[in-house]
Amino acid sequence: DAKTTQPPSMDCAEGRAANLPCNHSTISGNEYVYWYRQIHSQGPQYIIHGLKNNETNEMASLIITEDRKSSTLILPHATLRDTAVYYCSSAPQVGGGADGLTFGKGTHLIIQP
Amino acid sequence: NAGVMQNPRHLVRRRGQEARLRCSPMKGHSHVYWYRQLPEEGLKFMVYLQKENIIDESGMPKERFSAEFPKEGPSILRIQQVVRGDSAAYFCASSANRGGVNTEAFFGQGTRLTVV
Repeated sequence: DAKTTQPPSMDCAEGRAANLPCNHSTISGNEYVYWYRQIHSQGPQYIIHGLKNNETNEMASLIITEDRKSSTLILPHATLRDTAVYYCSSAPQVGGGADGLTFGKGTHLIIQP
Repeated sequence: NAGVMQNPRHLVRRRGQEARLRCSPMKGHSHVYWYRQLPEEGLKFMVYLQKENIIDESGMPKERFSAEFPKEGPSILRIQQVVRGDSAAYFCASSANRGGVNTEAFFGQGTRLTVV
């Protein structure tokens, strides 16, 4: 069973920031938060991960609350190609390995033109 | 640097046949993971392998399913005597190990198995 909870779907206007929340209230101290996305049945694509500090890369920003019980993935300027299912997961070390990655049903983000 | 390569992309098998799914990890990656995704469902972990070793197979069905990652060549997920319920997308991911820590995992495009 997934250790995270996410809203099943969200809409966002093209060009706006998309903010995707994730609750991980049972996260352990040594577990990282990971975000992946899956575009229409393609293979999941790694986006970003973090432990407790906020992180930013060329794709997105990750904001983790101080108590680490929730996080938000931010796509700063959403485009139509960002329409996908976004998965939040937690795993005990960098990379998990991926045996530590459990995926729920994710959030289906729909970018509206 | 090619990504994780899976083949075939689509596989059709009749009930009772065997299915063999292949996964070549990214260059420099020594860890392979297999996931299954049923229609409209999330990804379910199946097995984690390193070269010549199964590290964690807690997600593998007890019967008919096996996986290997030989010293040379791709990782193989083998499903014997397939049934209709095996129809799913099977994804492989790979990661490297640097200083004892696994890096983030990268996924292949998957093999879509259809059992008729």
